[in-house]
Amino acid sequence: SQTIHQWPATLVQPVGSPLSLECTVEGTSNPNLYWYRQAAGRGLQLLFYSVGIGQISSEVPQNLSASRPQDRQFILSSKKLLLSDSGFYLCAWSVGPGRIFGSGTRLTVV
Amino acid sequence: QKEVEQDPGPLSVPEGAIVSLNCTYSNSAFQYFMWYRQYSRKGPELLMYTYSSGNKEDGRFTAQVDKSSKYISLFIRDSQPSDSATYLCAMSNNDMRFGAGTRLTVKP
Repeated sequence: SQTIHQWPATLVQPVGSPLSLECTVEGTSNPNLYWYRQAAGRGLQLLFYSVGIGQISSEVPQNLSASRPQDRQFILSSKKLLLSDSGFYLCAWSVGPGRIFGSGTRLTVV
Repeated sequence: QKEVEQDPGPLSVPEGAIVSLNCTYSNSAFQYFMWYRQYSRKGPELLMYTYSSGNKEDGRFTAQVDKSSKYISLFIRDSQPSDSATYLCAMSNNDMRFGAGTRLTVKP
């Protein structure tokens, strides 16, 4: 079966610290993968998407970066977190016209 | 003007009520229309999707798309407390856009 794993579920990090969020998918090969950020009342903002290993497209210039070291692994990173990076981060892959989402990571930058 | 507009609510109804959730959009190129349900602290899960205009029914849920008015709706019949969640509309052609979500509470 197709599943998507995302961790950690919650994270509290100080300003200026690094970040690494990991997402892996199972039961599919060569998926299109996405990182979204969800802020209260503002919907889902697409941050990055990837159509294959090493292929990353950025939708919004910001303090974050993404990498895809393996076919079913997608990583969201930052070298130095800002307060404005707080939010709910969701990994997803495309299925037909829609998306299947992971359970999300609640990031609080303090 | 946002590409997708959705009233954030909150919307509170008694158990058994009919719930109507709506979105408007501006991009006439959208062809696929989706509704997601998101429980607190969880990722969104796909409820229903429709292609182009028309209605689609799945149990207590009915999705409607009116492309001429650029308006989509989700109806929930006989609402249950377990339906309490945030509902997000989404639409796509090559790109996908989401509404901000409507928070629904169904009170027993």
